[in-house]
Amino acid sequence: DIQMTQSPSTLSASVGDRVTITCRASQSISSWLAWYQQKPGKAPKLLIYKASSLESGVPSRFSGSGSGTEFTLTISSLQPDDFATYYCQQYNSYATFGPGTKVDIK
Amino acid sequence: QVQLQESGPGLVKPSQTLSLTCTVSGGSISSGDYYWSWIRQPPGKGLEWIGYIYYSGSTYYNPSLKSRVTISVDTSKNQFSLKLSSVTAADTAVYYCARDGAHSSGYHNWYFDLWGRGTLVTVSS
Repeated sequence: DIQMTQSPSTLSASVGDRVTITCRASQSISSWLAWYQQKPGKAPKLLIYKASSLESGVPSRFSGSGSGTEFTLTISSLQPDDFATYYCQQYNSYATFGPGTKVDIK
Repeated sequence: QVQLQESGPGLVKPSQTLSLTCTVSGGSISSGDYYWSWIRQPPGKGLEWIGYIYYSGSTYYNPSLKSRVTISVDTSKNQFSLKLSSVTAADTAVYYCARDGAHSSGYHNWYFDLWGRGTLVTVSS
């Protein structure tokens, strides 16, 4: 199994802040990584796939980078709608998700 | 606009079999354009992929759940279903159905661009 970790587990930030979330894989997954946003009581929403490709309709303030075992999701200027939990998911070997990073209001 | 909707009992007794159905509307499972998955999320916890099915009936399951999982498809009803046997309290979760895109090469995306709203299944006597 490929294990995924995320840091931090919780992040407190203000509107307008630049936010970075890190996801690490227990072994190399090339660029086979996706990022999702989930709000309470809702299904996850795909943001990024193949580590850095922006899903259609997702605001350009979201970006992804990395390859191998270390990846980042960056929100360039945090907006009120962005307070949520973010999950990474590897798909090099079936699909496993990270434990999530909650972005809350500072 | 394609939509996915999960349905099934919200309460299952321990040792019994959990059964859920996902109905696809606005598109056809038989198009072959997508693979169809089940993913679950225990309350307050992270996400776990359970398995997928293709319209042809081809399946692949999470190795950790493989012995208890069966996913089937009914193309005439545009539905696919999940059965999870011998459930325990650890199987209490919100269960989502989701899709990922297929490619003519035979590969598929393995990331999920459309999800149902989810349904909570509680395992309790």
